[in-house]
Amino acid sequence: QKEVEQNSGPLSVPEGAIASLNCTYSDRGSQSFFWYRQYSGKSPELIMSIYSNGDKEDGRFTAQLNKASQYVSLLIRDSQPSDSATYLCAVTFLGSGSARQLTFGSGTQLTVLP
Amino acid sequence: DGGITQSPKYLFRKEGQNVTLSCEQNLNHDAMYWYRQDPGQGLRLIYYSQIVNDFQKGDIAEGYSVSREKKESFPLTVTSAQKNPTAFYLCASSMRPGQGTDTQYFGPGTRLTVL
Repeated sequence: QKEVEQNSGPLSVPEGAIASLNCTYSDRGSQSFFWYRQYSGKSPELIMSIYSNGDKEDGRFTAQLNKASQYVSLLIRDSQPSDSATYLCAVTFLGSGSARQLTFGSGTQLTVLP
Repeated sequence: DGGITQSPKYLFRKEGQNVTLSCEQNLNHDAMYWYRQDPGQGLRLIYYSQIVNDFQKGDIAEGYSVSREKKESFPLTVTSAQKNPTAFYLCASSMRPGQGTDTQYFGPGTRLTVL
């Protein structure tokens, strides 16, 4: 069973602080990792993708991957109230027919307090 | 204006009815996907298609059917066999299925409610 685990939260941080979102996954062979942001009632939008160990930075967002620990995280620096949303971690597993399937965690709800 | 469109945005179904959700993309993506999201939960894969005229079951395919007659279109039918169909349905597409860097992009979703 392929699993992706996230703390459901809610996670609250003050405006301007660093928000840290964590995700663990069960398949050591996974190679692709994604963070999506989902506002209430809306569809997920891609924030970051990461494929190799280490850090990847894009503006205020940093994704961190540690394959040995089967752990991926998302840091949001200088958090803004507009960052308040649910953040979904997604991991690619090898599914049937040699196709890679994307498995999602249940999401972490983030609230940034003004 | 490229993207993924889904219709309708809201859909109400009476028990025992089949309904079809539309998904169209003009991104020239090869693969398309259908997910279901229940409140407070992540997305679960219903069906996916890597190429025209071919599709595979996902984790929760029972009570659903799909077709892929055109590259741009991947409609989902929710049949009366689906016992708890009330959910948010999301369609996605990706360019290079089977490759590790393949990224999925989502349409705006259809919210289905059974009356």
